[in-house]
Amino acid sequence: FLLTQPHSVSESPGKTVTISCTRSSGSIASNYVQWYQQRPGSAPTAVIYQDYQRPSGVPDRFSGSIDSSSNSASLTISGLKTEDEADYYCQSYDATSWVFGGGTKLTVL
Amino acid sequence: QVQLVESGGGVVLPGRSLRLSCAASGFRFSTYGMHWVRQAPGKGLEWLSMIFYDGSKKYYVNSVKGRFTISRDNSKNTVYLQMNSLRAEDTAIYYCARDVGAGWDKSGTFGSWFDPWGQGTLVTVSS
Repeated sequence: FLLTQPHSVSESPGKTVTISCTRSSGSIASNYVQWYQQRPGSAPTAVIYQDYQRPSGVPDRFSGSIDSSSNSASLTISGLKTEDEADYYCQSYDATSWVFGGGTKLTVL
Repeated sequence: QVQLVESGGGVVLPGRSLRLSCAASGFRFSTYGMHWVRQAPGKGLEWLSMIFYDGSKKYYVNSVKGRFTISRDNSKNTVYLQMNSLRAEDTAIYYCARDVGAGWDKSGTFGSWFDPWGQGTLVTVSS
């Protein structure tokens, strides 16, 4: 299966942005979805796991959700800060493989 | 603290081989599965391979099946990626990541996520 994300999104500081991740086949709700943040020149770090859980240290401005009607997952970042500017990747899996979305470049301007 | 450090990258001729290493510290390595993920220049993340905690199961993406081999040495807290018959399109930063369990999902699969990631090692395949 494939995970499709918008190539880029932009929003102003203090606002809220949502990044979508649509699964091509199979139910989005069947397997957990994770989200990773990657700043330029750095390795990715998880901001959401198990659909909506936040790893320790990730602020509650980051939230995840699943929408079975659109077969998609979403990452929502509220109270945007300039430090949130990064690439964001969704990720899921099946029994024998792990899949990343193509990534979304978030610009905070 | 939990840390992963990759090594072994470099410039290699097409058709040649390279072995990457990922040294783990700060956690009980022998109880965790491990992954390799790569990122071509300016591109997104591509999952490559996963090995169970005890090496009993290994999984690969189709694009590297038959060319790449994942292995581990729990006595050295290290996971490896042997890459053979390298191509220009294998040029990328290669990351290792720990497999962290997320529990049983609705499909009956034991889900997992990647945490932490190493800093990556650059592999350039070029003549």
